[in-house]
Amino acid sequence: RKEVEQDPGPFNVPEGATVAFNCTYSNSASQSFFWYRQDCRKEPKLLMSVYSSGNEDGRFTAQLNRASQYISLLIRDSKLSDSATYLCVVHYTGNQFYFGTGTSLTVIP
Amino acid sequence: EPEVTQTPSHQVTQMGQEVILRCVPISNHLYFYWYRQILGQKVEFLVSFYNNEISEKSEIFDDQFSVERPDGSNFTLKIRSTKLEDSAMYFCASSEGLANEQFFGPGTRLTVL
Repeated sequence: RKEVEQDPGPFNVPEGATVAFNCTYSNSASQSFFWYRQDCRKEPKLLMSVYSSGNEDGRFTAQLNRASQYISLLIRDSKLSDSATYLCVVHYTGNQFYFGTGTSLTVIP
Repeated sequence: EPEVTQTPSHQVTQMGQEVILRCVPISNHLYFYWYRQILGQKVEFLVSFYNNEISEKSEIFDDQFSVERPDGSNFTLKIRSTKLEDSAMYFCASSEGLANEQFFGPGTRLTVL
């Protein structure tokens, strides 16, 4: 059983499109959730934390559904610079974090 | 803006040799982590470190690996007797508090020949 699962994609969308990614996690006791982006051969960079009430940062919206154990990321008005791999990260008990395999996004001109 | 730094950026070693990867976490952070990412695969947790001791470690982090905070700024990962399958990108990360956002260094690419 995988701790964190994501659809690997790839998602190829035109500029200006809205795209959504989902991620499911297996441990119902998880308390902290994050979205990171990773460009090719670079380190993961924090995109946003995911709060229970949902949160928005500009064109990005994150949602958490504890009952169904999934988190989502919505990107509106996609830009070419949004092309990257988006990583779902879940904090487990103690001090351990699990990463999803990532979802690849390519925004096409 | 404070950032996590790592050295070297690329390390090439022969199988069976020992390597030490170095990290300088963000100065006011208290929790430190090592991850690895084999090319084309996901980021995998290795170990977390707090208050000068390991707080969690994964199955990957066997007796071949060790971590140390030798002074007030550096955080090191030592791999004894490297194997071919240790070739990967190794990322260091730090966070201010437990379960808080982590900030990653640029990584060390380890190549074992």
